Amino acid sequence: SYVLTQAPSVSVAPGETARITCGGDKIGNKRVVWYQQKTGQAPLLVMSEDPDRPSGIPERFSGSNSGNMATLTISRVEAGDEADFYCQIWETTSDHPVFGGGTKLTV
Amino acid sequence: QVQLVQSGTEVKKPGASVKVSCKTSGYTFSSSDINWVRQAPGQGLEWMGWMNPYSGTSGYAQKFRGRVTMTRDTSISTAYMEMSSLRSDDTAVYFCARVAYDSGEPLFDYWGQGTRDTVSS
Repeated sequence: SYVLTQAPSVSVAPGETARITCGGDKIGNKRVVWYQQKTGQAPLLVMSEDPDRPSGIPERFSGSNSGNMATLTISRVEAGDEADFYCQIWETTSDHPVFGGGTKLTV
Repeated sequence: QVQLVQSGTEVKKPGASVKVSCKTSGYTFSSSDINWVRQAPGQGLEWMGWMNPYSGTSGYAQKFRGRVTMTRDTSISTAYMEMSSLRSDDTAVYFCARVAYDSGEPLFDYWGQGTRDTVSS
């Protein structure tokens, strides 16, 4: 089964740039989706394949994916961005989603 | 607007069953698969399975086969997830999520608010 690896935590100061990574074997060949989950809330889709951001997601959120690493970049981080972030791919061989373990972003 | 509204908090004893509902609105219920994802306390997201509201067919992660059943009632645009033989490690928040397609790849574009199920004697 395909494995996605995320760092448990990332910490940045307000106004800085946060980079949240998601590692996987040849993940650059896959479409990576990112969800943001604030405390006590359901996950929220924030990025599909750059520049495909869902309606309402600010341009400060961007994504990249190459080789064995996908990255969600959040520019000019705000206190309200603090959340857990999960990457996800769809495993075509078994036709089901795979989630990374999540990264807690602290601002 | 698209909404998925789930049933309320559950408290169950080990060995019991739980049935969680996910009432949808704002789109054609039969046009999009519903998946279920759970999250144990302090843990990440765990995919449980899918249900096609049009046909009623479903598929489950291997871990849950034989213990989970996903169904629907098209007359009220509602999906259900029922889990039997509950154990303490089934204590989690259970989410329903709608599947959409982006450049041919599925993703979850709308989620229910979650249903907390606590299993305790």
